[in-house]
Amino acid sequence: AQSVTQLGSHVSVSEGALVLLRCNYSSSVPPYLFWYVQYPNQGLQLLLKYTSAATLVKGINGFEAEFKKSETSFHLTKPSAHMSDAAEYFCAVSDKGNNRLAFGKGNQVVVIP
Amino acid sequence: DVKVTQSSRYLVKRTGEKVFLECVQDMDHENMFWYRQDPGLGLRLIYFSYDVKMKEKGDIPEGYSVSREKKERFSLILESASTNQTSMYLCASSFSGLYGELFFGEGSRLTVL
Repeated sequence: AQSVTQLGSHVSVSEGALVLLRCNYSSSVPPYLFWYVQYPNQGLQLLLKYTSAATLVKGINGFEAEFKKSETSFHLTKPSAHMSDAAEYFCAVSDKGNNRLAFGKGNQVVVIP
Repeated sequence: DVKVTQSSRYLVKRTGEKVFLECVQDMDHENMFWYRQDPGLGLRLIYFSYDVKMKEKGDIPEGYSVSREKKERFSLILESASTNQTSMYLCASSFSGLYGELFFGEGSRLTVL
C-alpha cells in the first residue's frame, strides 16, 4: 500500500524567504502525486499534481514541485513566501488504477513578517 | 467548476444523538469519500463509494455508516455520536479517469458534547 511521509508538522518561514516542504512516498508502482493546500476553515484545494509527464510541475500561486524517482520524493517549493501562503499543506499519493489517495499528516506553514 | 457541497459547516450535537452529514457533488463523479481531519493526524479515510449503493470501508469506519442512494449524494451517519467523534469531516469526490485527484467540500465541523 502506498504511503506518504511529511516531516515537521509546523514550518515557520520569513516573508520573502524560500518555502520548502518535503514529501517522501512509498509505492510499489509508479505513482501519481499531489499537493493540496487548506486555508483556515476551508476544504482542501489542489495546488499541483504529477501524473508521469514532466518531472518539474508548476502549480498555482507560484508553487512548484519536482518528482525524483531515485529519492522517492516530491518536495514542494516557492521561491518567496507571502503572508497569504500561511495554510496547511498536504502531500498525497495514489497508484495507477487505484482511486484512493494516501495523505501525509500535513505541514502547517506560518509566515513571519 | 466542480462543486462539492456539504450540508452543514458547523454542528453541535449531544452524546448519543444520531447525526447525518450530507454531501452533494455536481460533476457526475463516480467516486465519493468521507474523511476525518484531526490535528496532527492528517486526513483519515472513513468510507468511500465507487458507485450508487456501493460502499467500502476506509481506515477508520468504526462508529460510522454511509449511504449512497443517488450518484450525486453521499451521506455519513453517526448512529450514536460520542465525544471522540468531535472533528472536522471532509467530503470529496473524484472522476475515475483523473488519477485519483480529489475535489473537496468546505468541511463540516462537528462538536459532540
